[in-house]
Amino acid sequence: NAGVMQNPRHLVRRRGQEARLRCSPMKGHSHVYWYRQLPEEGLKFMVYLQKENIIDESGMPKERFSAEFPKEGPSILRIQQVVRGDSAAYFCASSKGKNQPQHFGDGTRLSIL
Amino acid sequence: DQQVKQNSPSLSVQEGRISILNCDYTNSMFDYFLWYKKYPAEGPTFLISISSIKDKNEDGRFTVFLNKSAKHLSLHIVPSQPGDSAVYFCAPHASGGSYIPTFGRGTSLIVHP
Repeated sequence: NAGVMQNPRHLVRRRGQEARLRCSPMKGHSHVYWYRQLPEEGLKFMVYLQKENIIDESGMPKERFSAEFPKEGPSILRIQQVVRGDSAAYFCASSKGKNQPQHFGDGTRLSIL
Repeated sequence: DQQVKQNSPSLSVQEGRISILNCDYTNSMFDYFLWYKKYPAEGPTFLISISSIKDKNEDGRFTVFLNKSAKHLSLHIVPSQPGDSAVYFCAPHASGGSYIPTFGRGTSLIVHP
């Protein structure tokens, strides 16, 4: 009865490279959310997806960031041409429905050299 | 402009005493209020919630109080235990929207033995 699985737990990239963060939701959950936490800050909402559809991407930066949740496989948060300011902890959450409690993964800590 | 404010970055309490964590909000559309608890290197876990139709919700040692007119809520933990040491996030949402919670910056609670 696995919870939300995120990998990798830690990711190091050099400026200009691409970062791919994966999230497998809890079994039976079709709603996925991505959040970013900067040091000393709360979690900031980025994007909400429901199988193959982006429902709300109001928190996503306009450039370099994209997310998908394909019919098969995990949700992917992709950051192209990473910059130092992208260094943060990225958390994924899943829920059964949009008004159901969200269950969080343990995050991916992204460090940009 | 922070919609959710947790003005105490940290709180230190003696084991057995009461811990009171405060949260203020500005968005009058918020009608459901969640508290999450987060340990280092882990994702947030849901702790307790309260609907705007109530002013108090209790679950074991945890009680949340809501004062809608003041746009203020508080989480009481009594008696506090060393295992309660964690960061606590206040995260309200508006049911009329996409149910995405808005997180405060968190309060780091340390319970001393």
